[in-house]
Amino acid sequence: DQQVKQNSPSLSVQEGRISILNCDYTNSMFDYFLWYKKYPAEGPTFLISISSIKDKNEDGRFTVFLNKSAKHLSLHIVPSQPGDSAVYFCAASNPLYNDMRFGAGTRLTVKP
Amino acid sequence: SAVISQKPSRDICQRGTSLTIQCQVDSQVTMMFWYRQQPGQSLTLIATANQGSEATYESGFVIDKFPISRPNLTFSTLTVSNMSPEDSSIYLCSVTTGTEYTGELFFGEGSRLTVL
Repeated sequence: DQQVKQNSPSLSVQEGRISILNCDYTNSMFDYFLWYKKYPAEGPTFLISISSIKDKNEDGRFTVFLNKSAKHLSLHIVPSQPGDSAVYFCAASNPLYNDMRFGAGTRLTVKP
Repeated sequence: SAVISQKPSRDICQRGTSLTIQCQVDSQVTMMFWYRQQPGQSLTLIATANQGSEATYESGFVIDKFPISRPNLTFSTLTVSNMSPEDSSIYLCSVTTGTEYTGELFFGEGSRLTVL
């Protein structure tokens, strides 16, 4: 079963604009959420995370928002840069059960 | 952080054969994991590699098909046995430097297997 869903397989934005990547989850036991970025021929790299006790976490151009009631999180990239072009994976974890689930990824293309 | 090296980076294999993927970490880590990413799919956890004991497999994955070794805190292998075209995937080794599987994972570059 797919407990973490990224419904948009791809997203294209103009350089300098905002990129918004969305993620939904179904398991209310998840209490830690992460975003990973993956370039071709490389492994995913950790980008930003948020605990379920927060609704926002910001790190430079990257901000993650969590809406627990809607079981939804989003990643905002402002301003978007061509180097941000990559596949972004959403992940949710439940440390109590040693469980982490990934979404299928969204391919972001930032056009110059 | 941790630097993870995987070998091979890619391979083309014949149906019915087996291939072993190696994962080497530049430091001792507590937890090592093996993931699979099938084309267009999410990263799926195959198993947790336990040092000195049998790996812990996720639902849908069995030891006979994916035997795993972890002889020490810096090295692990995953074997994909009796391969079929459905096993064509990227296989990723990952580690966490903490003591819990809470989140930040470090990944190797992946091993892309194509089974003909």
